[in-house]
Amino acid sequence: QVQLVESGGGLVKPGGSLRLSCEASGFTFSVHYMNWIRQAPGKGLEYISYISGSSADIIYADSVKGRFTVSRDNAKNSLYLQMNSLRDEDTAMYYCARSARLLDTWGQGTLVTVSS
Amino acid sequence: DVVMTQSPLSLPVTLGQPASISCRSSQSIVYVDGNIYLNWYQQRPGQSPRRLIRNVSNRDSGVPDRFSGSGSGTDFTLQISRVEAEDVGVYYCMQGTHWPFTFGGGTKVEIK
Repeated sequence: QVQLVESGGGLVKPGGSLRLSCEASGFTFSVHYMNWIRQAPGKGLEYISYISGSSADIIYADSVKGRFTVSRDNAKNSLYLQMNSLRDEDTAMYYCARSARLLDTWGQGTLVTVSS
Repeated sequence: DVVMTQSPLSLPVTLGQPASISCRSSQSIVYVDGNIYLNWYQQRPGQSPRRLIRNVSNRDSGVPDRFSGSGSGTDFTLQISRVEAEDVGVYYCMQGTHWPFTFGGGTKVEIK
């Protein structure tokens, strides 16, 4: 059964950092593009980054470029999102999902709150 | 960026009646490989999104056949033939053709 489980969210002050993780199971992780999507409280969905299976293809939305870094460890079946210089507007539920362009499976999300 | 415009914003429906959600893209979303990466997602209250339809009209495994997707060019539609109580939630279209991939603003389906 394909499963994605995010972790690492929490409360952080503006300007702070946080590292999110997404652990995958039930499929061959290394061959799939993986993605991060976020949803501010009561708002819609924003696609913020994807990474190819080999990590050779990585892209970011302008809203997080230069502040967030996506990475993966295929040996650990894990996807990561390093978030630096966090702002109030980064407050959101962060989801990982499988397959760029298609987003066929989503995790349950991890909540990041940026507040002083 | 490709803007995805959904309508209506809110859709009250009587149980057993049909429902239709429109999604319009601000430009063509045909990818170089010929595919149209237009997907539909359902987000039930308190849950993460779940894909219902991929590439305009291909229903995902386990999705009831009362859900169908159609469209071409820049106009796409998600239809529910007979709304059931479990269909309450917010529905999003998403284009995965041009970066940044973008979602529609969502349509909230509720029971009258």
